[in-house]
Amino acid sequence: DVKVTQSSRYLVKRTGEKVFLECVQDMDHENMFWYRQDPGLGLRLIYFSYDVKMKEKGDIPEGYSVSREKKERFSLILESASTNQTSMYLCASRQDSNEQFFGPGTRLTVL
Amino acid sequence: QKEVEQNSGPLSVPEGAIASLNCTYSDRGSQSFFWYRQYSGKSPELIMFIYSNGDKEDGRFTAQLNKASQYVSLLIRDSQPSDSATYLCAVRPGRRALTFGSGTRLQVQP
Repeated sequence: DVKVTQSSRYLVKRTGEKVFLECVQDMDHENMFWYRQDPGLGLRLIYFSYDVKMKEKGDIPEGYSVSREKKERFSLILESASTNQTSMYLCASRQDSNEQFFGPGTRLTVL
Repeated sequence: QKEVEQNSGPLSVPEGAIASLNCTYSDRGSQSFFWYRQYSGKSPELIMFIYSNGDKEDGRFTAQLNKASQYVSLLIRDSQPSDSATYLCAVRPGRRALTFGSGTRLQVQP
């Protein structure tokens, strides 16, 4: 079974803090993704990576950065958290097959 | 115009009925189409994918694709209360990542 894990289910941070969201997959997938999900807006792609140290911007990259130093791990970084980054963050991974597997999500609240 | 459009619902159907969920997309170059189910508080899980025009059946689920009309649908036969969830349509345009619609909430009434 493919497993995608995320470091926290719930996270509360203050405005201006640097925030790290970690995602790990155990199936040697090449492609990894970060989405955020907000009511009425669906899932929006922030960044994705198709190989170690490779990354591409998604639809809403502003205010975020990513890191992929190892194949199994893809980190999302909020350099200076803001209240409009309060959201559910979902990590996903995929190999050449078309099924994209999601992690359980991290609900981030920025106060 | 959004890349993937879905009616937000809720779509309410009685138990045992057929639920019909619809999705339109804007990128004519899209090649792969997906339906995900998401229960409240959970992450999305894949139900079906379809690449070719026509119908694809898997148990109680049928995906339908019409590339000329840029239209994808999901039919759920013999709907059960456990099917109550939000259904997300996703397409893969030229790039590697999926683009999702905002989802349709389905309520199956016992």
